[in-house]
Amino acid sequence: AQSVSQHNHHVILSEAASLELGCNYSYGGTVNLFWYVQYPGQHLQLLLKYFSGDPLVKGIKGFEAEFIKSKFSFNLRKPSVQWSDTAEYFCAVNAGKAAGNKLTFGGGTRVLVKP
Amino acid sequence: EADIYQTPRYLVIGTGKKITLECSQTMGHDKMYWYQQDPGMELHLIHYSYGVNSTEKGDLSSESTVSRIRTEHFPLTLESARPSHTSQYLCASSVGANTEAFFGQGTRLTVV
Repeated sequence: AQSVSQHNHHVILSEAASLELGCNYSYGGTVNLFWYVQYPGQHLQLLLKYFSGDPLVKGIKGFEAEFIKSKFSFNLRKPSVQWSDTAEYFCAVNAGKAAGNKLTFGGGTRVLVKP
Repeated sequence: EADIYQTPRYLVIGTGKKITLECSQTMGHDKMYWYQQDPGMELHLIHYSYGVNSTEKGDLSSESTVSRIRTEHFPLTLESARPSHTSQYLCASSVGANTEAFFGQGTRLTVV
């Protein structure tokens, strides 16, 4: 069965600092990868996704993620965070039909950006 | 903006009551999902559906049941609520294979 691990449960940083959130998945076949964000009091929203092609994907709000197949990783990055990036971030994987086309989430990382 | 709606947003109910959490989407998506999320914890898939009259149990065992009589509607029912059912329930939908899911606002359920 597919599983997703997010290494950091909580991250606190100051505005303008760089952010990198780790995500590893366990599935040997083809996967589709996602990062979702949940701002306080709001619903989950898609930040970016990887299906195929360029392993460096760019999403909304200046976020990007790099798929490294050999490391089973899909880390999220932002060069310079803002206070408004305070949210919870979830990595998710869909291993397709072989895994029942289910979207499996990691445990989430709470990010607090101090002004 | 995704068109997926959950009602109620918040529900406080007594032990033993029967409850139904509503989820509707107007996007014509074939796949729908229910996730359970405890505060500060990961999302666990508890039910999913690939289309009308198709429902499956998810990765996390749940005493709830679901139905999918219409494409746009995927309600979740608890026949007898218990305090252990206190959680947030998130509904989502997607179309086709391997696409992203769109989420509703969630229902925060408290059983007292």
